[in-house]
Amino acid sequence: DIVMTQSPDSLAVSLGERATINCKSSQSVLHSSNNKNYLTWYQQKPGQPPKLLIYWASTRESGVPDRFSGSGSGTDFTLTISSLQAEDVAVYYCQQHFSSPITFGQGTRLEIK
Amino acid sequence: QVQLQQWGAGLLKPSETLSLTCAVHGGSFSGFLWSWIRQSPGKGLEWIGRITHSESTDYNPSLKSRVTISVDTSKNQFSLKLSSVSAADTAVYYCARGREGRNIFGIWGQGTMVTVSS
Repeated sequence: DIVMTQSPDSLAVSLGERATINCKSSQSVLHSSNNKNYLTWYQQKPGQPPKLLIYWASTRESGVPDRFSGSGSGTDFTLTISSLQAEDVAVYYCQQHFSSPITFGQGTRLEIK
Repeated sequence: QVQLQQWGAGLLKPSETLSLTCAVHGGSFSGFLWSWIRQSPGKGLEWIGRITHSESTDYNPSLKSRVTISVDTSKNQFSLKLSSVSAADTAVYYCARGREGRNIFGIWGQGTMVTVSS
């Protein structure tokens, strides 16, 4: 199984400041056939299912604010929120779908400082 | 607007079989991957398995011996059965649709809390 490790486990950022969450996979999730990274980011708020934010490592889902961006390739990825808003308080997960079984990171809890 | 509506028993005794169903409203069933994912209280997300409209399945090896995912295309529904449950199977269970023929989960069901207790 590909192990996904996120850092930090929790993060407190001031409103309007940048938040950065990292995700590392135990093996590359870059597929040579299409040069795509099989890496997805989700946001989960209490009592709700996860919401798709970013797929193919850097493609923003329709309707997701442009303050959310994804970057990275191979085994190291980053989710960045450029200017934190109150509604961004949530747990964020990365996920790989390069190989089965699909696996998720342990989550990063983002709070307001 | 595609929506997933899921239902099933929320309280089970150890050794019973968990059974959940997810109905797809407002969209096609074919061409997508349909998954079950669970989340234990206060913990992260665990992928259980997925099925296609042609009944091709893929299961998480950690659960494979106890899991069956099936599909009823005439009703636009797919189902999860997990046998011989224990307290470790207590979790919120979600159904989800994978987009672009991949396991990119863009649409989720509302979640069903399943508790296993004697």
